Amino acid sequence: GESVGLHLPTLSVQEGDNSIINCAYSNSASDYFIWYKQESGKGPQFIIDIRSNMDKRQGQRVTVLLNKTVKHLSLQIAATQPGDSAVYFCAENNLSGGSARQLTFGSGTQLTVLP
Amino acid sequence: NAGVTQTPKFRVLKTGQSMTLLCAQDMNHEYMYWYRQDPGMGLRLIHYSVGEGTTAKGEVPDGYNVSRLKKQNFLLGLESAAPSQTSVYFCASSSTSGQYFGPGTRLLVL
Repeated sequence: GESVGLHLPTLSVQEGDNSIINCAYSNSASDYFIWYKQESGKGPQFIIDIRSNMDKRQGQRVTVLLNKTVKHLSLQIAATQPGDSAVYFCAENNLSGGSARQLTFGSGTQLTVLP
Repeated sequence: NAGVTQTPKFRVLKTGQSMTLLCAQDMNHEYMYWYRQDPGMGLRLIHYSVGEGTTAKGEVPDGYNVSRLKKQNFLLGLESAAPSQTSVYFCASSSTSGQYFGPGTRLLVL
């Protein structure tokens, strides 16, 4: 039978603009969240994490915002550069639940930086 | 410090053949994981290990076996490869929180 391809959400931004990538998570018991960056042909690379006792955390050019009320996570990239073009995944975990630190991954967002 | 390494980088198998994928980490992490990633999809957990000598099933374990004889190594075996196992396989390890991934193994089963 015919197979249906899965299409990643995409985001295109101009070089130098700020990017915001969103993620909705499902498990209200999740207490730890990570953003990963995956470039073509490479493994996921850890960007930034946040625990549920925080609602904002900043790194170098990146900020993660957590809204536990609506179970929403976002990654903000300041002054987006061509090297930021990649697929970005959010992942959630329940560290206090003894789940062997199993992460649940979202399907990802393809970020394309336009010159 | 090489982090997480995977061997081989790429492999082509015929249906029914067997092979073993090797993952090694030099960070003294207790936890190790094997994932598969298919086009347009996130990572799906195959098997994982919480320490030397222990393994457990993940989300999609069928058709795979694993072994953790040494803390630094986690092996993923395919006893009888099927075309549905064509995928990119990633190994990861973790200590207290985030997981760190290897570069992946591309497997094509014909």
